[in-house]
Amino acid sequence: AQSVTQPDIHITVSEGASLELRCNYSYGATPYLFWYVQSPGQGLQLLLKYFSGDTLVQGIKGFEAEFKRSQSSFNLRKPSVHWSDAAEYFCAVGLMKTSYDKVIFGPGTSLSVIP
Amino acid sequence: GAVVSQHPSRVICKSGTSVKIECRSLDFQATTMFWYRQFPKKSLMLMATSNEGSKATYEQGVEKDKFLINHASLTLSTLTVTSAHPEDSSFYICSAAGGSGNTIYFGEGSWLTVV
Repeated sequence: AQSVTQPDIHITVSEGASLELRCNYSYGATPYLFWYVQSPGQGLQLLLKYFSGDTLVQGIKGFEAEFKRSQSSFNLRKPSVHWSDAAEYFCAVGLMKTSYDKVIFGPGTSLSVIP
Repeated sequence: GAVVSQHPSRVICKSGTSVKIECRSLDFQATTMFWYRQFPKKSLMLMATSNEGSKATYEQGVEKDKFLINHASLTLSTLTVTSAHPEDSSFYICSAAGGSGNTIYFGEGSWLTVV
């Protein structure tokens, strides 16, 4: 069965520092990979997604993620964190063949930013 | 871009009553929609996958008679929580698959409080 792990439950970084959020997946094939962000009390916003092609994916708000097949990872990075980036981040995987399959979410990583 | 709308965004109902949450894809046809539930400070748990014109597929442990899902058209899926109890209070999010870009779009979510 597919699964997603996010090893870090909570991360605190200083504003302006770099950020990396880890995501590992277990799946029988190359999945579709997503990163979402959720602010308190809000819905989900898609940061970026990987379907195929270039393994380094650029997203919104200055985020990027790199798909590494050998490590079954899809880590999210940002070179310089802003206070407004404080939120919950979810990695998700899905398998979409000829039709859409379900998307499974990781447990999430809560990001705090110190001014 | 594609937009998925959920209504209502917040609802309070009395214990024992039923409440319906709507999920609409506003500018694309969604053959598949997903319903998730999120407990406070937790990740999103997939409840069911609904395909237009057919019965929903429920995840293990989800009571299909309690959480009724209807996907009557290519732009509308509804989740009805029947005989609601306080433990059903949660954040419910839908997503719709389709549109250009071959991706999944999430609604803003609906807060359900059962008193």
